Amino acid sequence: DAGVIQSPRHEVTEMGQEVTLRCKPISGHDYLFWYRQTMMRGLELLIYFNNNVPIDDSGMPEDRFSAKMPNASFSTLKIQPSEPRDSAVYFCASSPINTGEETQYFGPGTRLLVL
Amino acid sequence: AQKVTQAQTEISVVEKEDVTLDCVYETRDTTYYLFWYKQPPSGELVFLIRRNSFDEQNEISGRYSWNFQKSTSSFNFTITASQVVDSAVYFCALSETQTGANNLFFGTGTRLTVIP
Repeated sequence: DAGVIQSPRHEVTEMGQEVTLRCKPISGHDYLFWYRQTMMRGLELLIYFNNNVPIDDSGMPEDRFSAKMPNASFSTLKIQPSEPRDSAVYFCASSPINTGEETQYFGPGTRLLVL
Repeated sequence: AQKVTQAQTEISVVEKEDVTLDCVYETRDTTYYLFWYKQPPSGELVFLIRRNSFDEQNEISGRYSWNFQKSTSSFNFTITASQVVDSAVYFCALSETQTGANNLFFGTGTRLTVIP
């Protein structure tokens, strides 16, 4: 079975540009999560969805960040405009519906560098 | 308040040595889950184990073993006969049901280097 798929794997952009990160969760998983990993702050949850509906976006740092999940198999995380401090690795993860199986499975991450 | 503490920032061992990675957690929930993830140099996060709060049985999987002790709020991870491929950053994480489904709080990670 395919795991969580993220694209692009690497992104280099200039300050002020729009960046869109993409995620395809594992088929059948009802929860989707976006995380950011930096040296200073470690792994932090940005937002998560349940059945395509955003449940908690309290971790989204600023209005420059937005996330959507138009269907069960696709989500985007957009940064507009990007800033150098947004440079990080962004992970997408998914997990099954809450039947007692709580494990989150992570994608390979997108390494973002904003110059 | 930090929910998951991994006090060991970096550990170096010589190949074939045993090594234990410590994890201490904090929660008021009676139902919760604990996890270990591995992040090798390639960067992905690999799930290793999940434990729920009602199951204190220790678990062994090959060279890996986990010791869950509610009395000390610890969930330690031991690698026996370490190998160079074990070199990675290891994260302990906690999920609490009271904060909604599946919110994962990660520790800051322990970087393990296995020297050949």
